[in-house]
Amino acid sequence: DAKTTQPTSMDCAEGRAANLPCNHSTISGNEYVYWYRQIHSQGPQYIIHGLKNNETNEMASLIITEDRKSSTLILPHATLRDTAVYYCIVRESNYQLIWGAGTKLIIKP
Amino acid sequence: DSGVTQTPKHLITATGQRVTLRCSPRSGDLSVYWYQQSLDQGLQFLIQYYNGEERAKGNILERFSAQQFPDLHSELNLSSLELGDSALYFCASSPEDTYEQYFGPGTRLTVT
Repeated sequence: DAKTTQPTSMDCAEGRAANLPCNHSTISGNEYVYWYRQIHSQGPQYIIHGLKNNETNEMASLIITEDRKSSTLILPHATLRDTAVYYCIVRESNYQLIWGAGTKLIIKP
Repeated sequence: DSGVTQTPKHLITATGQRVTLRCSPRSGDLSVYWYQQSLDQGLQFLIQYYNGEERAKGNILERFSAQQFPDLHSELNLSSLELGDSALYFCASSPEDTYEQYFGPGTRLTVT
């Protein structure tokens, strides 16, 4: 099962785009990349997911490299409320989500 | 608001006791997942139910059990509680296995 690697923490200025990288070099062809975030002690919140094409929704954009070994979550105009831990997850074949440590994103005024 | 509800919000109990956590999934969701999150730790998947049947099992202790009822709500039972069981317990739901999961606000369990 694929594992993911993310930076431990990142800073971003309010109003700028936040780009969160994720490495998943052992991903298999039928595994999706999911992004969730967790604002301190709240329930995690689904953001976006994709297989191989880039995806965009009202919250974020997901860019997946052609070889699918890495991806980037983009929050186009970060606000203070986007401060959270962001988890990049590759879904296991039996549909369980395995959560790593994530990236702690701090948005600074 | 994700549409997933969990009760109680907080629970304080003593070692050796037994507690039951309750989860009501979003309307129409058939899958329910339980997770444990200890202090400053990532989420650990415990167990998944789909339409009343156990679908997948993660790192769930033998002292813990769960079930999903015909109305699709789920309960997580924790028995012979130990100090190390103190954690946030999250429930999530999804329409099918392959869909994104929507999480409830969690139950904070403190074992003293």
